[in-house]
Amino acid sequence: DAGITQSPRHKVTETGTPVTLRCHQTENHRYMYWYRQDPGHGLRLIHYSYGVKDTDKGEVSDGYSVSRSKTEDFLLTLESATSSQTSVYFCATPRLAGGTNEQFFGPGTRLTVL
Amino acid sequence: GESVGLHLPTLSVQEGDNSIINCAYSNSASDYFIWYKQESGKGPQFIIDIRSNMDKRQGQRVTVLLNKTVKHLSLQIAATQPGDSAVYFCAENNAGNMLTFGGGTRLMVKP
Repeated sequence: DAGITQSPRHKVTETGTPVTLRCHQTENHRYMYWYRQDPGHGLRLIHYSYGVKDTDKGEVSDGYSVSRSKTEDFLLTLESATSSQTSVYFCATPRLAGGTNEQFFGPGTRLTVL
Repeated sequence: GESVGLHLPTLSVQEGDNSIINCAYSNSASDYFIWYKQESGKGPQFIIDIRSNMDKRQGQRVTVLLNKTVKHLSLQIAATQPGDSAVYFCAENNAGNMLTFGGGTRLMVKP
């Protein structure tokens, strides 16, 4: 997984509770991404970061916030979890081999909101 | 808006046969495409990529074809094996290091 870890790997929580997912990388990549994956859908970008304290919204950012206080960690927060946020969440970093944007993915976090 | 999609949601092939997975894209400005394989319970894994200035690229048992005229991308797997059973995604590179993913095709290999 190119030095990407995600924690927790599984979480069950209740509607209305805050949840934070962590992505940790060891390759010193500038860019980091958070995606969600749902049945019948491909991966959809939630937020991404292009440096410490530099983040931007993706396609499905509503209900999510992110923070990047240091290069190696990118946090995804659900301020008040809803059942529609039940999903598998993947973090990714680019390899930038030969200038291309191949992305490496972490193992994923399965989140269930009851 | 711009999107990447797939023709077939499920493809079932006999072990040893060749597999072809298709993908249509709509962003004519995309300059780079990737195929990913995702096994159950795991994150997507890179298979092969192709730049828009190419129409074919070969890897080990896999070939990607790009037809820019009709905005079509395909992944060919030769001599499909049970270990190839997975969901396959195409992705296109947008500006600013962003990828847009298709919905995925499940490949099932029958022994």
